[in-house]
Amino acid sequence: GAGVSQSPSNKVTEKGKDVELRCDPISGHTALYWYRQSLGQGLEFLIYFQGNSAPDKSGLPSDRFSAERTGGSVSTLTIQRTQQEDSAVYLCASSWERTGNEQYFGPGTRLTVT
Amino acid sequence: AQSVTQPDIHITVSEGASLELRCNYSYGATPYLFWYVQSPGQGLQLLLKYFSGDTLVQGIKGFEAEFKRSQSSFNLRKPSVHWSDAAEYFCAVGALGANNLFFGTGTRLTVIP
Repeated sequence: GAGVSQSPSNKVTEKGKDVELRCDPISGHTALYWYRQSLGQGLEFLIYFQGNSAPDKSGLPSDRFSAERTGGSVSTLTIQRTQQEDSAVYLCASSWERTGNEQYFGPGTRLTVT
Repeated sequence: AQSVTQPDIHITVSEGASLELRCNYSYGATPYLFWYVQSPGQGLQLLLKYFSGDTLVQGIKGFEAEFKRSQSSFNLRKPSVHWSDAAEYFCAVGALGANNLFFGTGTRLTVIP
């Protein structure tokens, strides 16, 4: 079946602009995660959605970052007033339930803020 | 605090040689342990995982890993490396009921002919 998809694959934006990154999880997966991968770094957890529960936003680095998940499926990560330090690869993953299960990752969105 | 340490940033091995990538973790609960591989421009693919039971786990592409609780380690091994194994490898730790995985900073593997 189809895996996790993300769009766009690449995004170049000017400092101060807002961007939206999209994630389509695997059908039926109730858990969805956003991670950020900066150059030379591991993956940094951003936010977690599980079903209809309130999301775990503990990893969001600032209030410029927000995410929503509509209908328990597609998710959008929004970064407002982008800064150069926001440049990174943003990875989305989904799984059947919580972290005890395997997370399936999308190919990522490479964000470059100029 | 939870953390994962991959002490080797970059490893170079010859094709056909054996490989061991190190991973040490610090986690308050009984850990679930994972190894992922990331090829350039690609997302992460799960190689193997340990939840419980046999401490030696087999994964895809001929990889295996051994969980050693006393050493807080989960090292990845392969007896004979192929050129296609060149990639970035990430160790991760989580737990039942936790909301996310903690990842190491990765080990980049280069395979020379």
